[in-house]
Amino acid sequence: GESVGLHLPTLSVQEGDNSIINCAYSNSASDYFIWYKQESGKGPQFIIDIRSNMDKRQGQRVTVLLNKTVKHLSLQIAATQPGDSAVYFCAESGGNEKLTFGTGTRLTIIP
Amino acid sequence: DTAVSQTPKYLVTQMGNDKSIKCEQNLGHDTMYWYKQDSKKFLKIMFSYNNKELIINETVPNRFSPKSPDKAHLNLHINSLELGDSAVYFCASSRRDTRNTEAFFGQGTRLTVV
Repeated sequence: GESVGLHLPTLSVQEGDNSIINCAYSNSASDYFIWYKQESGKGPQFIIDIRSNMDKRQGQRVTVLLNKTVKHLSLQIAATQPGDSAVYFCAESGGNEKLTFGTGTRLTIIP
Repeated sequence: DTAVSQTPKYLVTQMGNDKSIKCEQNLGHDTMYWYKQDSKKFLKIMFSYNNKELIINETVPNRFSPKSPDKAHLNLHINSLELGDSAVYFCASSRRDTRNTEAFFGQGTRLTVV
């Protein structure tokens, strides 16, 4: 079946440095992608999204890059802060209401 | 104001019992979901409802029965609970549009079956 996967399950970054979280997807029909942040004891929280007609989108301190050729998605967080420590999920949708989530990457910011 | 709220936040119960989790959204969305998150943090969709109509049922055992009394509510009833049902269950909602939009999640219900 289709799946969305992450290359690295854990990532530790020094406070103030930039971090990059990667995600691979296999459904070539996916046309909408989202990054979610999940803090301990909370539900996933929307960070940024991108549609398949774009290859880059920027938010506040975050940038999402989409490479449809290799079915790869990344989330860049600039100038990381302790509050960025969380589990990050990519999710994709192929035109229906179903969001398929990746396995998650735990990001730890080292003070 | 809480956008997607689910109750209870924690639920501990014995095997074989029947329990319900309630979910309400005040975002005016017409699509609601139930997701299950296992101990390894993997999030998997269980059900999706649009305007009270079931549109996604992801091979979930029929012990799980969602009920949508109106488009702002989607409850999850679980019969004959098993140890393997222990997980965090998330309710979510989204706006159905000509294009996909993000889903908003509740805080989760941690179900522990003993």
